[in-house]
Amino acid sequence: SYELTQPPSVSVSPGQTASITCSGDKLGGEFACWYQQKPGQSPVLVIYQGTKRPSGIPERFSGSNSGNTATLTISGTQAMDEADYYCQAWDSSTVVFGGGTKLTVL
Amino acid sequence: EVQLVESGGGLVQPGGSLKLSCAASGFTFSGSAMHWVRQASGKGLEWVGRIRSELNGYATAYAASVKGRFTISRDDSKNTAFLQMNTLKTEDTAVYYCTRGRSSSTVWFDPWGQGTLVTVSS
Repeated sequence: SYELTQPPSVSVSPGQTASITCSGDKLGGEFACWYQQKPGQSPVLVIYQGTKRPSGIPERFSGSNSGNTATLTISGTQAMDEADYYCQAWDSSTVVFGGGTKLTVL
Repeated sequence: EVQLVESGGGLVQPGGSLKLSCAASGFTFSGSAMHWVRQASGKGLEWVGRIRSELNGYATAYAASVKGRFTISRDDSKNTAFLQMNTLKTEDTAVYYCTRGRSSSTVWFDPWGQGTLVTVSS
């Protein structure tokens, strides 16, 4: 079955840039999207179609894709960005999520 | 305001059944694909399945882990989607979210409901 692999955790200092990767064999031909989930809350879409940002999502969130790896980048990370982040892709009518990355802002 | 509200969760014994509802408002429900995603406590997100719009034949698809046990349906006249869960197992214990699927060569989910907790235990 298709899998998306994310690092379990990423740490970043306030004001610095955080990068979270998502790798999958078929990502080269697909656009990943990204969700932010804070404790006790529902997921929120932060990036779709690889690089697009929904209305209301701060400009410091950006997405990119290179080969079989999608990357979520948070520039000027703030304490409020501390959360779990999930990548997601679509393959043959099946939706796949990455295992999630816990972003800690130290 | 685009909103999804799930209901119907609760405690059920292994082998039992439960039906979840997802009430939508603020967007054209009849033209939207609706998905269900679950999350066990402390775990990641797991896609459960989806139902497409009438224009797409109300086509359904399911994750292997629930295929044959779960059924997704919809009532466009009531702007509501449903998840019928049969032969429940302890591993089905999770928060169940409904979400609108958006698509253009790929699919993404926005918005998400607040979730409803299903606990399968004797």
